[in-house]
Amino acid sequence: DQQVKQNSPSLSVQEGRISILNCDYTNSMFDYFLWYKKYPAEGPTFLISISSIKDKNEDGRFTVFLNKSAKHLSLHIVPSQPGDSAVYFCAAVANTGNQFYFGTGTSLTVIP
Amino acid sequence: NAGVMQNPRHLVRRRGQEARLRCSPMKGHSHVYWYRQLPEEGLKFMVYLQKENIIDESGMPKERFSAEFPKEGPSILRIQQVVRGDSAAYFCASSPGAGSYTEAFFGQGTRLTVV
Repeated sequence: DQQVKQNSPSLSVQEGRISILNCDYTNSMFDYFLWYKKYPAEGPTFLISISSIKDKNEDGRFTVFLNKSAKHLSLHIVPSQPGDSAVYFCAAVANTGNQFYFGTGTSLTVIP
Repeated sequence: NAGVMQNPRHLVRRRGQEARLRCSPMKGHSHVYWYRQLPEEGLKFMVYLQKENIIDESGMPKERFSAEFPKEGPSILRIQQVVRGDSAAYFCASSPGAGSYTEAFFGQGTRLTVV
């Protein structure tokens, strides 16, 4: 059973526009959430995170929003750049352990 | 401070052979995770280990797969009698451990091809 879900396998956005990547989770024990970016033939790299005590965290062009009641988080990239084209994974960690649960990924293509 | 090191980067095995994938976590990290990415799929959890302990192996296939993280040395993911369906990218990640909100750091992965 997939505890972290990314229902959009792919997304295409024009350069300069906003990219919004979505993630849903089912386990109410999750209290730390992360986004990773992955280029082909490379390992995932950490992008941004948020703890459950916050509803927003911003780092440059990247902002993560957390809606605990809806068990939903999203990553906003503004403005989108061609170099942002990659697969984005969201992940969650429960306060009862340290296992990272990953979604299946969303492939973002930013069109120049 | 070296990152998570995985070797080999590429591994080719014939059906029926054994594959050994190695992962050296970041310095000071005592938790290791293995994930598999099949072609056109996302990251699938396999196993979570601490030094000398398997904490969660719920994602490991019941047969032919095993993992260890000894007191000294790298973590090893071992696949016996490989089959074509084992061809995938295997990623290892490490984290400092319990009690800290921090990300897991990934290695570059080992791409296993079974011919």
